[in-house]
Amino acid sequence: LAKTTQPISMDSYEGQEVNITCSHNNIATNDYITWYQQFPSQGPRFIIQGYKTKVTNEVASLFIPADRKSSTLSLPRVSLSDTAVYYCLVSLYNQGGKLIFGQGTELSVKP
Amino acid sequence: DTAVSQTPKYLVTQMGNDKSIKCEQNLGHDTMYWYKQDSKKFLKIMFSYNNKELIINETVPNRFSPKSPDKAHLNLHINSLELGDSAVYFCASSQASQAAYEQYFGPGTRLTVT
Repeated sequence: LAKTTQPISMDSYEGQEVNITCSHNNIATNDYITWYQQFPSQGPRFIIQGYKTKVTNEVASLFIPADRKSSTLSLPRVSLSDTAVYYCLVSLYNQGGKLIFGQGTELSVKP
Repeated sequence: DTAVSQTPKYLVTQMGNDKSIKCEQNLGHDTMYWYKQDSKKFLKIMFSYNNKELIINETVPNRFSPKSPDKAHLNLHINSLELGDSAVYFCASSQASQAAYEQYFGPGTRLTVT
C-alpha cells in the first residue's frame, strides 16, 4: 500500500536553499509526484510535478532518483514569504488515480 | 474572477443538523474533488467527479453525499453532522482526471460542529 512520509517541520533562514524530502517507497512507474504549497487560511497551490529525474520551473526544482522511492523539493534562496506548509502528493495511476497526500512539512523561514 | 469558489467560507452548526457546501469552478475543467483537512493539517481526498460522474469515492461515511449537477459544480451535502466532521473542506478542480494535471483548490470551508 503506497504511503507518503515527510518531515513534520523545518526551519530555515532567508537566502538559504531548502530541500524537503518525501518518501514514497511503493509507487509504480506511471505514478506522478506533485508538490503543493499552502498558506494559512488558503487552499493548497501547485508548485511542481514530475515522475522521474529532475524537473525545474521558475520557483522550484524536483529531484526524483532512479528508484523513485523518494523525491526532493528544492526551493532556492527562500524568503520570508516562503513560510508555508508543503505537501507531497502521489497519484497512483494503476489504482484508478488514487491520490495520497503526505502529512505536510511546515517550513518556517526566519530573517 | 475566482477560479474555484466555495460557499460558505465558515459554517457553524449543531450536531445532528444537515448542511451543504457548494463549489463552482470557472476554469472549464472536467474533474472536481472534495478534500477534508483536519486539525493536524492532514489532507484526505473524499470524492472525485469527472464530467459529472463519480470516479473516486474514498472510505467516507454515507452521511456525506456529493452531487454534481453539471461539470462546473460539485456540492457536498452532509447529513446528521457529528463533532468529528469539524474540519476545513476544500474543493478542487483539474483539467482531467489523469494524474498529470495540476489541481486548483478553492479557499476552503471551515465547518465547526458544536
